[in-house]
Amino acid sequence: EAGVAQSPRYKIIEKRQSVAFWCNPISGHATLYWYQQILGQGPKLLIQFQNNGVVDDSQLPKDRFSAERLKGVDSTLKIQPAKLEDSAVYLCASSRTSGRNNEQFFGPGTRLTVL
Amino acid sequence: SQQGEEDPQALSIQEGENATMNCSYKTSINNLQWYRQNSGRGLVHLILIRSNEREKHSGRLRVTLDTSKKSSSLLITASRAADTASYFCATFPSYNTDKLIFGTGTRLQVFP
Repeated sequence: EAGVAQSPRYKIIEKRQSVAFWCNPISGHATLYWYQQILGQGPKLLIQFQNNGVVDDSQLPKDRFSAERLKGVDSTLKIQPAKLEDSAVYLCASSRTSGRNNEQFFGPGTRLTVL
Repeated sequence: SQQGEEDPQALSIQEGENATMNCSYKTSINNLQWYRQNSGRGLVHLILIRSNEREKHSGRLRVTLDTSKKSSSLLITASRAADTASYFCATFPSYNTDKLIFGTGTRLQVFP
């Protein structure tokens, strides 16, 4: 079974530029998550999708971050414009469905550096 | 906000020794999970313990949960160099249905 795929693996941009990350979850997984992990901290949930609907985006900075999951499969996370404090690893995860007992499978992440 | 805090922040041991990491959390939980993160394999789920369980084993891993103290511990026995990684506890708070909240992590270094 193929894992969660993410691209790019690394991205360096200057502040005020835009950037987009792509995620392909495990086939058949209905729930998709985007996490932000700042260096030295644990991952923090930004947004959760159930199929193509948003379940939770309470911690997504909506003035600059946006995410979509068209057709309930792949997802993109966009930052526009980027700030220095957005430097972090962005992790995508998926699970078979939502719920507390469903294991989340994580992708390798995209390391973003904002200069 | 972070729900859990791991202790110690960093731990260095020799191969063959046991490693113990602790996690404290703030609110009542539905379950607590431990994850490992290294550069090679990313973030990987290790074990889940439910709030009504006190101890769970998986291979060389032993997890305990004390809900009265709001704490958990992860024991890795007979450690190997390949166990070098950061270890995170993560909880599903009882007040929230689906949001997994991670702690700050323990960085484990196992020397050959």
